[in-house]
Amino acid sequence: QSALTQPASVSGSPGQSITISCTGTRSDVGGYNYVSWYQQHPGKAPKLMIYDVSNRPSGVSNRFSGSKSGNTASLTISGLQAEDEADYYCSSYTSSSTSVFGTGTKVTVL
Amino acid sequence: QVQLVESGGGVVQPGRSLRLSCAASGFTFSTYGMHWVRQAPGKGLEWVSVVWSDGIHKYYADSVKGRFTISRDNSKNTVNLQMNSLRGEDTAVYYCARGLPTAGSDYWGQGTLVTVSS
Repeated sequence: QSALTQPASVSGSPGQSITISCTGTRSDVGGYNYVSWYQQHPGKAPKLMIYDVSNRPSGVSNRFSGSKSGNTASLTISGLQAEDEADYYCSSYTSSSTSVFGTGTKVTVL
Repeated sequence: QVQLVESGGGVVQPGRSLRLSCAASGFTFSTYGMHWVRQAPGKGLEWVSVVWSDGIHKYYADSVKGRFTISRDNSKNTVNLQMNSLRGEDTAVYYCARGLPTAGSDYWGQGTLVTVSS
């Protein structure tokens, strides 16, 4: 159950687009279309942003989008805003019927 | 509205036990799987355990298997995490979260802090 690999940090200017990668294996990311993404502000509980690779829950801005290719999933934030500055985590279902989170990415809005 | 409220956290000595509870409201509890996820101070999220809606299927992270036990009471809308043989590395905020039908969690509690220290 090794954590999925994410870049430690990603930054961008307001209005720009950024992409966060999430790399796993055939036993998790690559084997199922069950990748979710979470946003976490300091001291707060995580918030679901994307589920099942590319689905947005009601109320989440359409500036957030998800995709997957092989063993790597991606979260793209377009039109970056100051409020998007937070930690982001991916998560995947695994072949052991468990879940695994990514290492986390700190997004900084310059 | 969906609400998840964790309780039971606190300071405990290494090797001792602690039981966390999560009270759910605002949805049909018996039809959802429920997860526990933890976050050590300054660290990332770590998935801990899940119990399916049937209360029978239960799965654990390797780091807690054999020490932690998840359970649910659909008559009381609660999910519990019995934590035995606690270690320093179990120190974390523990979140209860509602499972999506496929995978992942859509609603989270505010978390309860568990500190394992002598």
